[in-house]
Amino acid sequence: EIVLTQSPATLSLSPGERATLSCRASQSVNNYLAWYQQKPGQAPRLLIYDTSSRATGIPARFSGSGSGTDFTLTISSLEPEDFAVYYCQQRSTWPPEKTFGQGTKVEIK
Amino acid sequence: EVQLVESGGALVQPGRSLRLSCAASGFTFEDKAMHWVRQGPGKGLEWVAGISWNSGNIGYADSVKGRFTISRDNAKNSLHLEMSSLKAEDTALYYCVKDRYSGRNGMLFDYWGQGTLVTVSS
Repeated sequence: EIVLTQSPATLSLSPGERATLSCRASQSVNNYLAWYQQKPGQAPRLLIYDTSSRATGIPARFSGSGSGTDFTLTISSLEPEDFAVYYCQQRSTWPPEKTFGQGTKVEIK
Repeated sequence: EVQLVESGGALVQPGRSLRLSCAASGFTFEDKAMHWVRQGPGKGLEWVAGISWNSGNIGYADSVKGRFTISRDNAKNSLHLEMSSLKAEDTALYYCVKDRYSGRNGMLFDYWGQGTLVTVSS
């Protein structure tokens, strides 16, 4: 079973600042790593898939990087609507038990 | 426009059963794998069950295996989750989720419904 560990649990930043979120896998996920954004009261939204590909309609300020077991989601300049919880997810195993990380909350400082 | 509309959530007593449904539209339903993902109150996301486009591959989280059954009706563009022997820890918002791909090698969740709430309590 692959376990995803996200850090930090909470990130306190101001609008305009750069956000760097980490996701570490207990073993290689072959770059099959995705990121989702969830705002309060809303369903999650796919942001990034296969490490670095942006989903349809996702602004260029969101970018993903990494390989093997260490991955990063970067928001280059935080907009007010970016304050949310972010989850990483691996899809290298079936069934995808424990497929999601525990989440990182990006909050306004 | 992809739409996923869940229904069937309710307050139910422990040990009882419940059936969730998801009506899908805006895409070729029979071409895509589908999933149920849940989120307990104040908690993170937990994948519950998934089914490939032709129902040939089905998987469950260990926490629900033997109690939940996922199924689909491609003629009616619908997804279902039959839940039995419900426990308090099954209390959650249940999301119907579309996969970007068709088979067991997908598991990329590109569209989500708004969820249906299941509360298990006496």
